[in-house]
Amino acid sequence: DTEVTQTPKHLVMGMTNKKSLKCEQHMGHRAMYWYKQKAKKPPELMFVYSYEKLSINESVPSRFSPECPNSSLLNLHLHALQPEDSALYLCASRRDFSGDSYNEQFFGPGTRLTVL
Amino acid sequence: AQTVTQSQPEMSVQEAETVTLSCTYDTSESDYYLFWYKQPPSRQMILVIRQEAYKQQNATENRFSVNFQKAAKSFSLKISDSQLGDAAMYFCAYRRAGDMRFGAGTRLTVKP
Repeated sequence: DTEVTQTPKHLVMGMTNKKSLKCEQHMGHRAMYWYKQKAKKPPELMFVYSYEKLSINESVPSRFSPECPNSSLLNLHLHALQPEDSALYLCASRRDFSGDSYNEQFFGPGTRLTVL
Repeated sequence: AQTVTQSQPEMSVQEAETVTLSCTYDTSESDYYLFWYKQPPSRQMILVIRQEAYKQQNATENRFSVNFQKAAKSFSLKISDSQLGDAAMYFCAYRRAGDMRFGAGTRLTVKP
């Protein structure tokens, strides 16, 4: 199983809503990532978890709140978002932070978020 | 900070022909990894090819090969015998330790 799954595939929410994005992998990976990707742009790193601890936070606004409840699951809690937060949110995972290039990063299909 | 530059926003190639996508990067590190990822329209991002900076030999994966010039900090991707399924957004990426940085991407069109 080399799959990273993300739910939901699409999400439309108002600026006052609270919603969550979910990411799951069963490859035993201990590094998990959230990226934000605007149309025709590269993915931008948001958060990195290593062994269920937040390792990197790229100065993301507090209206995005990540959570890693266990080694297989990564959530992104959303609250009071703005229309400019509309984007594709990608999850990725990797075995760990070791430098082996064959420690490949696997991406999920993404959640397409629209904030009205 | 590491930056990755892809100077070709769009490229086009005739089916069965060869195309080269350019990538340059900036780093002061000597040990790092470089990748090319492919993202087809509305589909998942997948790894095409990888290169370790400490290896002088250029990586190859079937029809995909790279020209890695460490001193010039250049990492181009050559696609031989292009196929319609190669049409996608291609991202060059640099990784050191925990995180990965992507270039702006090159949109490749394959003409039948």
